[in-house]
Amino acid sequence: EAGVVQSPRYKIIEKKQPVAFWCNPISGHNTLYWYLQNLGQGPELLIRYENEEAVDDSQLPKDRFSAERLKGVDSTLKIQPAELGDSAVYLCASSSFFGGGTDTQYFGPGTRLTVL
Amino acid sequence: GIQVEQSPPDLILQEGANSTLRCNFSDSVNNLQWFHQNPWGQLINLFYIPSGTKQNGRLSATTVATERYSLLYISSSQTTDSGVYFCAVAPGYNKLIFGAGTRLAVHP
Repeated sequence: EAGVVQSPRYKIIEKKQPVAFWCNPISGHNTLYWYLQNLGQGPELLIRYENEEAVDDSQLPKDRFSAERLKGVDSTLKIQPAELGDSAVYLCASSSFFGGGTDTQYFGPGTRLTVL
Repeated sequence: GIQVEQSPPDLILQEGANSTLRCNFSDSVNNLQWFHQNPWGQLINLFYIPSGTKQNGRLSATTVATERYSLLYISSSQTTDSGVYFCAVAPGYNKLIFGAGTRLAVHP
């Protein structure tokens, strides 16, 4: 079974430029998460999708960040414009949780963003 | 919100040694997971363990939900065990709250 796929693995951009990250979850997983991990810290949730619906985006900085999961499968996270403080690792995870109960979250390899 | 504290923050071991990592959390949880983040940044699931005890090879974990702590045991450590170990909890459903991690270095 393939794991969570993310691309690109690394991205270097200049500040004020746009950037996008892509995630394909594990097949059959209806819940998808985007996390942000700053250096030396644990990941923090940005947004959670159940199928195509964003059910928790309270930590997403909506002035510059946006996300979509149009068909309830893969997802894109965008930053426009990027700031120096956005340099971090962006992690995608998925689980088969839906409608209650708990389930294991599986993480992709992440995209390491450097904003110059 | 819920607080997750991991100890020790840093740990240095000689290959073959055993260790215990601890995770304390401040409220009841529905989900608790242990992860290993390897030097390349990949978060690897170790255990899904909101309560009880599990073992997988040289690793085992115990969560005492009523006392709000979990322990991760590593026996006969190997250099490949190096990295950061995270405990993450979900007080409700799905939103994992991560601790700051325990950074483990295993020397040959």
